[in-house]
Amino acid sequence: GQNIDQPTEMTATEGAIVQINCTYQTSGFNGLFWYQQHAGEAPTFLSYNVLDGLEEKGRFSSFLSRSKGYSYLLLKELQMKDSASYLCAVMDSNYQLIWGAGTKLIIKP
Amino acid sequence: GAVVSQHPSRVICKSGTSVKIECRSLDFQATTMFWYRQFPKQSLMLMATSNEGSKATYEQGVEKDKFLINHASLTLSTLTVTSAHPEDSSFYICSARAPGTDFSPLHFGNGTRLTVT
Repeated sequence: GQNIDQPTEMTATEGAIVQINCTYQTSGFNGLFWYQQHAGEAPTFLSYNVLDGLEEKGRFSSFLSRSKGYSYLLLKELQMKDSASYLCAVMDSNYQLIWGAGTKLIIKP
Repeated sequence: GAVVSQHPSRVICKSGTSVKIECRSLDFQATTMFWYRQFPKQSLMLMATSNEGSKATYEQGVEKDKFLINHASLTLSTLTVTSAHPEDSSFYICSARAPGTDFSPLHFGNGTRLTVT
């Protein structure tokens, strides 16, 4: 079966760095997406990785290793507004998105 | 660009009534839209794929007669929850893929929180 694993919850301190991991097992791979979802709101797109390596976009970076079925989202200089759930999603060989359950990130002052 | 608008954002209805949710792509044409449901503290669950001008494709376990989908134009898809029951109370979110390729990211509407009393 297809499976996306990410931690349920993480806590970090304002100004610090946090890494949210995602491992996946899917039938085929056409890229991995990270989305941010604030409570009660719809997800918003953060990043897309299809090749191995690190993609940097401001305070957020996303890494992919296809051979390991592994990705992480790195958030630097954490701000209180970064408190949200972070969803990892993989596009399989049928171009269907398989969603992880999300990681709730709590930022403390 | 690639803005998706969803309406209403919140609706409360009585058990047995029907509720229609609209999803519009404001600045692009979307031949395909996706309808998701999300229960508290759970991940997004794809309910169905809405195809302009043809029948929607429903995921396993989703009743097509209960969740009616109409995609009559390239910018509008509607989801009607028929004969709603309290267990249908959930957060419903539509999305469409930004113009480009199959790898383009999904853009989501703001969601509709449905409460059935």
